Amino acid sequence: KNEVEQSPQNLTAQEGEFITINCSYSVGISALHWLQQHPGGGIVSLFMLSSGKKKHGRLIATINIQEKHSSLHITASHPRDSAVYICAVRSNGGATNKLIFGTGTLLAVQP
Amino acid sequence: DAGVIQSPRHEVTEMGQEVTLRCKPISGHDYLFWYRQTMMRGLELLIYFNNNVPIDDSGMPEDRFSAKMPNASFSTLKIQPSEPRDSAVYFCASSVALRAVSSEQYFGPGTRLTVT
Repeated sequence: KNEVEQSPQNLTAQEGEFITINCSYSVGISALHWLQQHPGGGIVSLFMLSSGKKKHGRLIATINIQEKHSSLHITASHPRDSAVYICAVRSNGGATNKLIFGTGTLLAVQP
Repeated sequence: DAGVIQSPRHEVTEMGQEVTLRCKPISGHDYLFWYRQTMMRGLELLIYFNNNVPIDDSGMPEDRFSAKMPNASFSTLKIQPSEPRDSAVYFCASSVALRAVSSEQYFGPGTRLTVT
């Protein structure tokens, strides 16, 4: 079983829909990252959070440390949101800064 | 700042050849990471450095892979000899201090390696 699990693996939405991508992890963490990878391949960090909730524009990320679960929400989705969204956790085991990645969620937003 | 710079962006080589990938981290960042991304395994950490010193190389697949960071502004990932299964996109990323609130990782554009 992977230490970081994402769901769904693939998601197709219509423009304007509210989207939720989930991430569950099984290790102790110091932080959780949400990354976005566009079809061209570049990876951009969207959020890094260790508790609560963060918002940036139409994107909202939440984390529940007790339940070891995080969600990424996209409000009023747009075709330009089409990308792979990757959840990654930074383990708190030892003095390490290494990230453990989920397998990603491929999002396609249709006009 | 120009961000993390990687070269080359694309590399096609024949099996058995030596491949060297290069990375220039963001100035002032003291952590540098090398990742590999494949369809089968997704993103995997290969090795990371702190202040030019390798900290964790447990992700390096085998002895054919080696990485160096001779100074704070340059790192290389070398594969010798290369094999078709090394075909992947290799990302370099950098970040600042380990427990700083702002320790996000900034990724380079990646090098797409094809070994035929």
